[in-house]
Amino acid sequence: EVQLVESGGGLVQPGGSLRLSCAASGFTVSSNYMSWVRQAPGKGLEWVSVIYSGGSTYYADSVKGRFTISRDNSKNTLYLQMNSLRAEDTAVYYCAREYRGYSYGYSHYYYYMDVWGKGTTVTVSS
Amino acid sequence: EIVLTQSPDFQSVTPKEKVTITCRASQSIGSSLHWYQQKPDQSPKLLIKYASQSFSGVPSRFSGSGSGTDFTLTINSLEAEDAATYYCHQSSSLPYTFGQGTKLEIK
Repeated sequence: EVQLVESGGGLVQPGGSLRLSCAASGFTVSSNYMSWVRQAPGKGLEWVSVIYSGGSTYYADSVKGRFTISRDNSKNTLYLQMNSLRAEDTAVYYCAREYRGYSYGYSHYYYYMDVWGKGTTVTVSS
Repeated sequence: EIVLTQSPDFQSVTPKEKVTITCRASQSIGSSLHWYQQKPDQSPKLLIKYASQSFSGVPSRFSGSGSGTDFTLTINSLEAEDAATYYCHQSSSLPYTFGQGTKLEIK
């Protein structure tokens, strides 16, 4: 069964750090694009970061320079290192697999988030 | 950044009713638009990929249409279990973005 399980959330003070983990089963993390998406309390979904199968990484402006996405192929696990945390980073953090499809009409690949974890909660507060 | 604007923000509907949710992109995104359903305290679930392709296991009452900048999610014959918030999402270009969400309440 294809599954993602996040862990590592918790309460941290402003300015602190936290590392989230996302353990995958049923597929290989390094062969897929993988994203982190967060949801602040009572708010909508916000994309945070993606790591491509080739290793390239991209970030939302709101976290650029503070968060780092990475993976451990031997553990089949995705990570999100979060530094200099702020109150506005308080959210449920989800990891998601981005599956690849192909459009013959547009002759291009496209990606969509087909598998999501249950999320891990990060609270930044003093 | 591509902005996705959904309408309505909230809708109260009765079972068996037909529901239409729209998502407008601030620039053309081809068909790289996907729809998710999120129930309270659950993670989002994929309903429709690439504007109109139903995801495996999704009930046939859910359908999607559109391309370019205007997209629609349609739920035919609404059921009580469809009470949720629905999000559109574009993967045409980074940063990926989501619509603000449409909350469906079942009367």
